[in-house]
Amino acid sequence: DGGITQSPKYLFRKEGQNVTLSCEQNLNHDAMYWYRQDPGQGLRLIYYSQIVNDFQKGDIAEGYSVSREKKESFPLTVTSAQKNPTAFYLCASTWGGDNNQPQHFGDGTRLSIL
Amino acid sequence: AQSVTQPDIHITVSEGASLELRCNYSYGATPYLFWYVQSPGQGLQLLLKYFSGDTLVQGIKGFEAEFKRSQSSFNLRKPSVHWSDAAEYFCAVGARGSARQLTFGSGTQLTVLP
Repeated sequence: DGGITQSPKYLFRKEGQNVTLSCEQNLNHDAMYWYRQDPGQGLRLIYYSQIVNDFQKGDIAEGYSVSREKKESFPLTVTSAQKNPTAFYLCASTWGGDNNQPQHFGDGTRLSIL
Repeated sequence: AQSVTQPDIHITVSEGASLELRCNYSYGATPYLFWYVQSPGQGLQLLLKYFSGDTLVQGIKGFEAEFKRSQSSFNLRKPSVHWSDAAEYFCAVGARGSARQLTFGSGTQLTVLP
């Protein structure tokens, strides 16, 4: 079945450490997104990518970095510059262009600080 | 820029009762509108979407929503709630155009009493 796979499901970060969250999709979608979810705040956009080798900052990009070397993959790195990384991270994807297709979501990665 | 307001943080209903979750949006033109549902520790599942045409849209699991342009609202309804409907519900608005970014409301937590 086609879908979006996020790994790991749980991740722990030490002080000063960078960690990378994986997002892979086999839906042949062009666009991919990373969101951060905190209790009571809904989802906030971190980064998004509409095509391979191109990505744009969302509303809360500081302390995060991404790459899009393959259509299927959009990894997110939470750097040591992100002082409050504890959150639930969701990856999504959809078709490119202005069409009526919704975003599909993975099952998320929960990141905590040790 | 678009915005979404879900005025009710938490709603409690009895099983078998009707349900209405409120969503108000701000956007300069006719937006794309979505309702998603999230179970604890999971990703988001699409319930329904509105792009154009008939303002009453049907979704999965017996849900429906009505787009009211004059009120800038897109309220979610279900005639008879089941215990399995207990979850968090998110309304989202998308701007038309190639970027396909979504802005999410802060969510409404639904509790269903037996």
